[in-house]
Amino acid sequence: DAGVTQSPTHLIKTRGQQVTLRCSPKSGHDTVSWYQQALGQGPQFIFQYYEEEERQRGNFPDRFSGHQFPNYSSELNVNALLLGDSALYLCASSLIFTSSSSTDTQYFGPGTRLTVL
Amino acid sequence: EDQVTQSPEALRLQEGESSSLNCSYTVSGLRGLFWYRQDPGKGPEFLFTLYSAGEEKEKERLKATLTKKESFLHITAPKPEDSATYLCAVQDHRGGATNKLIFGTGTLLAVQP
Repeated sequence: DAGVTQSPTHLIKTRGQQVTLRCSPKSGHDTVSWYQQALGQGPQFIFQYYEEEERQRGNFPDRFSGHQFPNYSSELNVNALLLGDSALYLCASSLIFTSSSSTDTQYFGPGTRLTVL
Repeated sequence: EDQVTQSPEALRLQEGESSSLNCSYTVSGLRGLFWYRQDPGKGPEFLFTLYSAGEEKEKERLKATLTKKESFLHITAPKPEDSATYLCAVQDHRGGATNKLIFGTGTLLAVQP
């Protein structure tokens, strides 16, 4: 059973460029969440996708956008890159939370290390 | 505002020396508390979910407990391979239909042989 996969593993960009990161969820999962983790910090929630729609967004600017495809895979796009966008970007998959669900644990992928020069 | 505080920031143990990591949280209504292990440059690896005060879960040398204000991750007779950053995260009932996680900054554990 394949876990969460992300691509690419590493990426180097310059300020002002745009980047697209990709994520394939764990088999059977329908929800994808994206997190940003700066060095020495805990992951920070960016947004979550379910049924190809953004369900909730964290405190991130509109430069961060995303998409979910019919096969549940997802992309994270960041425009006009800043030096401060350098971080480990994590994708997590889960089942959508319902009042009756007992397991909506998020499982993380290996991450994409983005360096902005 | 929801908040998660982990202590200590870093912990150095000798192999076999048991200890505990602390996670204090402030949420309007706790839906779940999660422990993850993260190795350098890797994604967090799920360890435990706790839902209600008094709940305990165990896995090998790790045991997680939960009260109304904090959680502890007890490490019994640790080995060098237990060295990692341990992250605590909470889900708030106010999150509604999303299950976003609010993380602490983690405890960096180093176990020396």
